[in-house]
Amino acid sequence: QSVLTQPPSVSAAPGQKVTISCSGSSSNIGNNYVSWYQQVPGTAPKLLIYENNKRPSGIPDRFSGSKSGTAATLGITGLQTGDEADYYCGTWDSSLSAVVFGGGTKLTVL
Amino acid sequence: QVQLVQSGAEVKKPGASVKVSCKASGYTFTTYDINWVRQATGQGLEWMGWMNPNTGNTGYAQKFQGRVTMTWNTSISTAYMELSSLRSEDTAVYYCARNVVDRLDPWGQGTLVTVSS
Repeated sequence: QSVLTQPPSVSAAPGQKVTISCSGSSSNIGNNYVSWYQQVPGTAPKLLIYENNKRPSGIPDRFSGSKSGTAATLGITGLQTGDEADYYCGTWDSSLSAVVFGGGTKLTVL
Repeated sequence: QVQLVQSGAEVKKPGASVKVSCKASGYTFTTYDINWVRQATGQGLEWMGWMNPNTGNTGYAQKFQGRVTMTWNTSISTAYMELSSLRSEDTAVYYCARNVVDRLDPWGQGTLVTVSS
């Protein structure tokens, strides 16, 4: 069981918007930056969002991140079939002295 | 560009050890930590630990304490992760990733380790 909690799956139609939640505690999300990673099946994870809401160069502004208290959210607008992937949140847990991840959310673009 | 290139797939018997390498390029190797993360088939990401090639410090997830060793060779900008006493549950893809402050970026392409008798 993962330290961070994500919904197993979300789905939406092309062009629509979707959000993926990530719930934690004060020892992780509450006091540390959250990152989001996109993993297309068969490939390595790729950084999508860092420091809660910043996008690395090359990541379109259709992807956004936010954090409030002990929860974080990834938003994707203008969904494309190429966005179908698994999405993971991650952060440092100060009590465990470890990087922790959510269980991952599979995005299906119908 | 910054790149991490890992060694090829391995097949090991239960009880054996495996050593995976991760060669860095495009940046000064000693500037950032390297983390190791594994992923069993159809499962999520599992963090194993970190190493700092500048300070020499390492930190391992409690689950792997005593079984994992992370080392490096600065002269060839390469990190290594060795896992011992392998069991079938260790079958997974192992990734290295550069830790830039609070994020893992980039990731290596992954190394499949299969543990089977």
